[in-house]
Amino acid sequence: DARVTQTPRHKVTEMGQEVTMRCQPILGHNTVFWYRQTMMQGLELLAYFRNRAPLDDSGMPKDRFSAEMPDATLATLKIQPSEPRDSAVYFCASGGSGKTLLLSQEKLFFGSGTQLSVL
Amino acid sequence: TQLLEQSPQFLSIQEGENLTVYCNSSSVFSSLQWYRQEPGEGPVLLVTVVTGGEVKKLKRLTFQFGDARKDSSLHITAAQPGDTGLYLCAGVSPRTQGGSEKLVFGKGTKLTVNP
Repeated sequence: DARVTQTPRHKVTEMGQEVTMRCQPILGHNTVFWYRQTMMQGLELLAYFRNRAPLDDSGMPKDRFSAEMPDATLATLKIQPSEPRDSAVYFCASGGSGKTLLLSQEKLFFGSGTQLSVL
Repeated sequence: TQLLEQSPQFLSIQEGENLTVYCNSSSVFSSLQWYRQEPGEGPVLLVTVVTGGEVKKLKRLTFQFGDARKDSSLHITAAQPGDTGLYLCAGVSPRTQGGSEKLVFGKGTKLTVNP
């Protein structure tokens, strides 16, 4: 079965360190999302890309977070420097077969997430 | 920012009971999706409703989109322990001038079905 692959599954780091999370979207999908999930806030949209171009990153703290898609098979989310309040589960999701530009017509598939703990 | 309020936040019932969870907003959405999430995994899409008043059924699950496309409900008949999980609704906000569509999530209803 095709699936979204996220690495690492778990990451424990110290405050101030750089963290890089990776996502391999499903082959052929042209939309990639990054979400962060916490108990208090639920799932928050950080950024999303269509055809590798950033469409919206308004939910992402720009001073420390960056998201890129170096190629169609890899999306990265970096935090530098990391802080304890960044501790959360980070999800990547992909969707879109390229037949539509409407989000409401896309079916999204989520990865299993990266559980980040910043001490 | 468009918000989706889900209720109840927690629900614990016995196997065989029926239940309804709600997803409400003051904003209009292009479509609304329901997901189920299990511990340690990402959300899995159950259904998408697009038209106001639309009703979709998935085995024992019935999904309804409000006429004004601001709210939705999920009804489960004869709940089973396998239905246990976090149920999330997510709305697609219409594209704004100069902006893009967004998929925003509610905080979810954590359902426990006891044998």
